[in-house]
Amino acid sequence: GAGVSQSPSNKVTEKGKDVELRCDPISGHTALYWYRQSLGQGLEFLIYFQGNSAPDKSGLPSDRFSAERTGGSVSTLTIQRTQQEDSAVYLCASSPRGAGELFFGEGSRLTVL
Amino acid sequence: KQEVTQIPAALSVPEGENLVLNCSFTDSAIYNLQWFRQDPGKGLTSLLLIQSSQREQTSGRLNASLDKSSGRSTLYIAASQPGDSATYLCAVRQGTNAGKSTFGDGTTLTVKP
Repeated sequence: GAGVSQSPSNKVTEKGKDVELRCDPISGHTALYWYRQSLGQGLEFLIYFQGNSAPDKSGLPSDRFSAERTGGSVSTLTIQRTQQEDSAVYLCASSPRGAGELFFGEGSRLTVL
Repeated sequence: KQEVTQIPAALSVPEGENLVLNCSFTDSAIYNLQWFRQDPGKGLTSLLLIQSSQREQTSGRLNASLDKSSGRSTLYIAASQPGDSATYLCAVRQGTNAGKSTFGDGTTLTVKP
């Protein structure tokens, strides 16, 4: 497809389990971003990848959160030992260059029971 | 720290009316500003991107303006339609090396037939 693809679209897990969320950006886009949208709250920046530069991890809320981007394309956001407060929609975006126009995927809705 | 505010939080108008959505930001040293729409349960769809050197951008019935000195942007929607019903968000980018965009909480628009 031409857009940003995210999987799974929905994930229900038990507290304490690890989860992985995947993002496949638009082909050729060098920048990739993860945001989190919690119920009733705005979008919260998590992490930013741009080309081969070191990622900006300043938005990750705790060391249980990590992300990687392999081969400058697909990215995986991993949440270890999930907590109920991690329940949210995790949105991935890409842009053709750093600070360019953002294009978002449909998001992965995470529910931690 | 950049703060982005969107007022009103919700707006209801009859079909055919022209309307204006507001976005204000506290730090005028921005790189660009982007308007999005979000339908329930969906990701964000990019509407317009305004670079800091631009005053406005137009796409179809949408016109976005930017006044950096006053820290304001407006999104003008002409001849509103029920299909325009959605939440509209603005996002501000601080600089070319800043991956993070700061989002407002959005204005939820309802256009009544």
